[in-house]
Amino acid sequence: ILNVEQSPQSLHVQEGDSTNFTCSFPSSNFYALHWYRWETAKSPEALFVMTLNGDEKKKGRISATLNTKEGYSYLYIKGSQPEDSATYLCAPSNDYKLSFGAGTTVTVRA
Amino acid sequence: DAMVIQNPRYQVTQFGKPVTLSCSQTLNHNVMYWYQQKSSQAPKLLFHYYDKDFNNEADTPDNFQSRRPNTSFCFLDIRSPGLGDAAMYLCATSRDTVREKLFFGSGTQLSVL
Repeated sequence: ILNVEQSPQSLHVQEGDSTNFTCSFPSSNFYALHWYRWETAKSPEALFVMTLNGDEKKKGRISATLNTKEGYSYLYIKGSQPEDSATYLCAPSNDYKLSFGAGTTVTVRA
Repeated sequence: DAMVIQNPRYQVTQFGKPVTLSCSQTLNHNVMYWYQQKSSQAPKLLFHYYDKDFNNEADTPDNFQSRRPNTSFCFLDIRSPGLGDAAMYLCATSRDTVREKLFFGSGTQLSVL
């Protein structure tokens, strides 16, 4: 199991503002990194699966970058909306399984 | 159109009374996972099946067992629940390796009285 750190643990954002947060993981034997969004009372939903150093992926207003050499990934939310309020989980892998972080909980204030 | 279904959404059991949580999928995925999440902590993998091959994590307590009678269904059995087993239990599936995204159920929140 990998040691995965997500920071900050929580953040509050004003509607319309942009924000970003970090996932840090051991860089050795990197295989893949996943990002999931988990809204209250719903199922966690996959945002991105990233495998290559320097990867950048985008889904609407949300994007992610990956640095496998230094062991981190950033998730960006542009122009935050109330529906972006959720816990964002990252999960890197160095073998057949994912190791989840504890998540960053984002609250968007109208 | 739920693709990974977990029942029940909330489960209350008594200390020491066996309980079974269920998960079904309509995706025909090879891999099924069970995760345990205690409040605000990282989801922790308990075990997973690749088809019929069962893979137990080294630190999963013996109290936890799993069955996968066919591709669509997977069960988590807790033989003698303790207070420390109260948690959210998440079932997930994936088509193949960890380079494929996971599809999650909505979870079962287990309370132990």
